[in-house]
Amino acid sequence: NAGVTQTPKFRVLKTGQSMTLLCAQDMNHEYMYWYRQDPGMGLRLIHYSVGEGTTAKGEVPDGYNVSRLKKQNFLLGLESAAPSQTSVYFCASRPLLGQGNQPQHFGDGTRLSIL
Amino acid sequence: GENVEQHPSTLSVQEGDSAVIKCTYSDSASNYFPWYKQELGKRPQLIIDIRSNVGEKKDQRIAVTLNKTAKHFSLHITETQPEDSAVYFCAAMERYSTLTFGKGTMLLVSP
Repeated sequence: NAGVTQTPKFRVLKTGQSMTLLCAQDMNHEYMYWYRQDPGMGLRLIHYSVGEGTTAKGEVPDGYNVSRLKKQNFLLGLESAAPSQTSVYFCASRPLLGQGNQPQHFGDGTRLSIL
Repeated sequence: GENVEQHPSTLSVQEGDSAVIKCTYSDSASNYFPWYKQELGKRPQLIIDIRSNVGEKKDQRIAVTLNKTAKHFSLHITETQPEDSAVYFCAAMERYSTLTFGKGTMLLVSP
């Protein structure tokens, strides 16, 4: 049981390039989240999904797009990378709210540098 | 939306001392408050959580207290050890199961 797996672990991009970060979970969780973590800023929510085929904006969605075509996968896309998007990106998942307030489970993160 | 303030940003203690980290939240509808520990280069990991129908919860050396009226909650670590050194994040859960995190507290435990 791998939990939450993020791919890739590291990536260096040039300004203007595009890329997709993949998050996969094998816990049959309904909810999935993408955060970015910057020094002194904590974790900030980019986008989230409450189920397959649904997505919603979080606190800092600009410059990112997401898709949840399959329940187990949540993709984060950068269409035209900017240096301000240099960050560590974490994916998280949790079960359906009806099962009680359950904690979010995090992946190991993707370290993204944009030059 | 929810706003979570966390203090202090850095906390240095001697091994064996107690450490207390405090958070306040703004949305009275928030009903779930987890605490995460993050070691350098690692993922955040849940260490303890509390729901709004409980005032205090304890797990060995770690305890969390919640004051709904004042909208603040605190993490207490007793008998600190060097391996407790990490960044600690509080969070509050609002609508649609989204968490708002505090900016973190770097705890340094000196031997």
